[in-house]
Amino acid sequence: NAGVMQNPRHLVRRRGQEARLRCSPMKGHSHVYWYRQLPEEGLKFMVYLQKENIIDESGMPKERFSAEFPKEGPSILRIQQVVRGDSAAYFCASSLAGGETQYFGPGTRLLVL
Amino acid sequence: LAKTTQPISMDSYEGQEVNITCSHNNIATNDYITWYQQFPSQGPRFIIQGYKTKVTNEVASLFIPADRKSSTLSLPRVSLSDTAVYYCLVALGGILTGGGNKLTFGTGTQLKVEL
Repeated sequence: NAGVMQNPRHLVRRRGQEARLRCSPMKGHSHVYWYRQLPEEGLKFMVYLQKENIIDESGMPKERFSAEFPKEGPSILRIQQVVRGDSAAYFCASSLAGGETQYFGPGTRLLVL
Repeated sequence: LAKTTQPISMDSYEGQEVNITCSHNNIATNDYITWYQQFPSQGPRFIIQGYKTKVTNEVASLFIPADRKSSTLSLPRVSLSDTAVYYCLVALGGILTGGGNKLTFGTGTQLKVEL
């Protein structure tokens, strides 16, 4: 019974490039959440999605960031024209239903040079 | 969203029981209390969740007094491998309600277990 999968685990980008982070939820889970964690800080909520729908994106920066969770395939967090301040660990979590316990993936560590 | 307050750090020794208390004075009626554990370079791992009184699983116990304004995570007989950051969260459980699904993490409690 595989848990939440994220890839890549580590991603290096130069300023101005695009970063694509993927998340496959636990089997049977249709709710996905993305969080960002800066060093020595707690996780900060970014966006909550169900299949093909964005439910809550109140934590997403207004520009350069987007997320999707298509009917087929993983959820994607996309960061366009990355800047050094985007360097962080990005965690994905999934749940069976809204409001249920969230289970986290291992994270993607993004480093922007 | 209910704000939580927990100690920044705690030290313990192997074999001891560790109790981490979290205060959440403005917890709402429909909020659940959830604890996560995070090791360096890993995602948070769900430990336990409760609404009131006492909950116990194979890893920990969670004590919640009647007023629910605080909760205590109890780790029996800790080992070196329990060294981690522990987060207390208060979030809406059950039926989906707008804005209720985003977990709000504080800085957590850094537990250090020594020999």
